[in-house]
Amino acid sequence: GQNIDQPTEMTATEGAIVQINCTYQTSGFNGLFWYQQHAGEAPTFLSYNVLDGLEEKGRFSSFLSRSKGYSYLLLKELQMKDSASYLCAVRDGDYKLSFGAGTTVTVRA
Amino acid sequence: IAGITQAPTSQILAAGRRMTLRCTQDMRHNAMYWYRQDLGLGLRLIHYSNTAGTTGKGEVPDGYSVSRANTDDFPLTLASAVPSQTSVYFCASSDSTAGNNEQFFGPGTRLTVL
Repeated sequence: GQNIDQPTEMTATEGAIVQINCTYQTSGFNGLFWYQQHAGEAPTFLSYNVLDGLEEKGRFSSFLSRSKGYSYLLLKELQMKDSASYLCAVRDGDYKLSFGAGTTVTVRA
Repeated sequence: IAGITQAPTSQILAAGRRMTLRCTQDMRHNAMYWYRQDLGLGLRLIHYSNTAGTTGKGEVPDGYSVSRANTDDFPLTLASAVPSQTSVYFCASSDSTAGNNEQFFGPGTRLTVL
């Protein structure tokens, strides 16, 4: 099975940077995903890492260290619309995803 | 518009009743999934299907059944609903031949069992 941990809540100021950490222990690893979920809506895909290193996509970046079972999602130049839950998910060898409980990010003016 | 649809949007159901949640995708994805999302627990996989005609159990399958008669549809049935099945249910699909195999989620069904 999978054990995925991420902080429950984070608060940051508009324009700032926030880093959401995710640690995992898995019985099989075939990639790590980050999803964004606004309240009352469906999760939407943000990023995917399968090799070690940093993947950058605009204001969002995601990092993976497979040896440490660790990932982070970096949100830069925070905007009010970035207030949402961010879900870390690990894919196993059967292409099934296991999700962490999510981190709720609140952006304040 | 391509994507995933779910029905109903929300439902209040008496305990013991049978209920089928519908999910349809038009992206021709081979894989489909059902999750439930509960506060503090995140998304948990109920059942999945890697291709039409096959299904598998996820993390929390008890009390639920699925079928995959064709590529597009993946209904989830609660044979006899119980209050602990009150949750938000998300259907998702993916193309397992694609590079990152990301899952696309439907809008969800909010189910309350009384």
